[in-house]
Amino acid sequence: AQKVTQAQTEISVVEKEDVTLDCVYETRDTTYYLFWYKQPPSGELVFLIRRNSFDEQNEISGRYSWNFQKSTSSFNFTITASQVVDSAVYFCALSEGSGGSYIPTFGRGTSLIVHP
Amino acid sequence: DAMVIQNPRYQVTQFGKPVTLSCSQTLNHNVMYWYQQKSSQAPKLLFHYYDKDFNNEADTPDNFQSRRPNTSFCFLDIRSPGLGDAAMYLCATSSNTGNTEAFFGQGTRLTVV
Repeated sequence: AQKVTQAQTEISVVEKEDVTLDCVYETRDTTYYLFWYKQPPSGELVFLIRRNSFDEQNEISGRYSWNFQKSTSSFNFTITASQVVDSAVYFCALSEGSGGSYIPTFGRGTSLIVHP
Repeated sequence: DAMVIQNPRYQVTQFGKPVTLSCSQTLNHNVMYWYQQKSSQAPKLLFHYYDKDFNNEADTPDNFQSRRPNTSFCFLDIRSPGLGDAAMYLCATSSNTGNTEAFFGQGTRLTVV
């Protein structure tokens, strides 16, 4: 079984604040993949990052950074100096190889609202 | 340019009247997925195709069917829509299953009246 928990339903910040979106996952597999997607009001999910279970290196891409910690089964996402355009729903997803099929399962999402 | 295209963007159907949602892709990806997303909920996988190999999720109602006539196109058929089927339906593709990222269309918002 796999489970992705995004405990924060909604976060509201003011522009230029830093914000961290939490993601905690459960899996029994040793090989798995973690993803973050952004869903703006237009509805289309946009891929942000993928991490495999063997790569715990943190990653930074512009104002975005990700902290993967297997010890706590977490894959958190930080936006530095948030902007209004960051307002969206952010989904964390997990796929594992149970039965040989890596099918992504999504968390419930965190709605981020950035106020000007 | 959009790589995964869903038509229509908005669909209104009557209770019990069959409806078909379509998805096309220009990525030549092997895998195509259909997800159902209700308000403030996670996308829920209904089924996926790996090439022509159809994989149905255990809890997907029989009311939902899918067809993939070729690599580029995939259809979601709802045989007898109920009020509970009103949702956003998302189509996605990937070159392989979940170890690669998925590319999503903009979704079809289905309303059942």
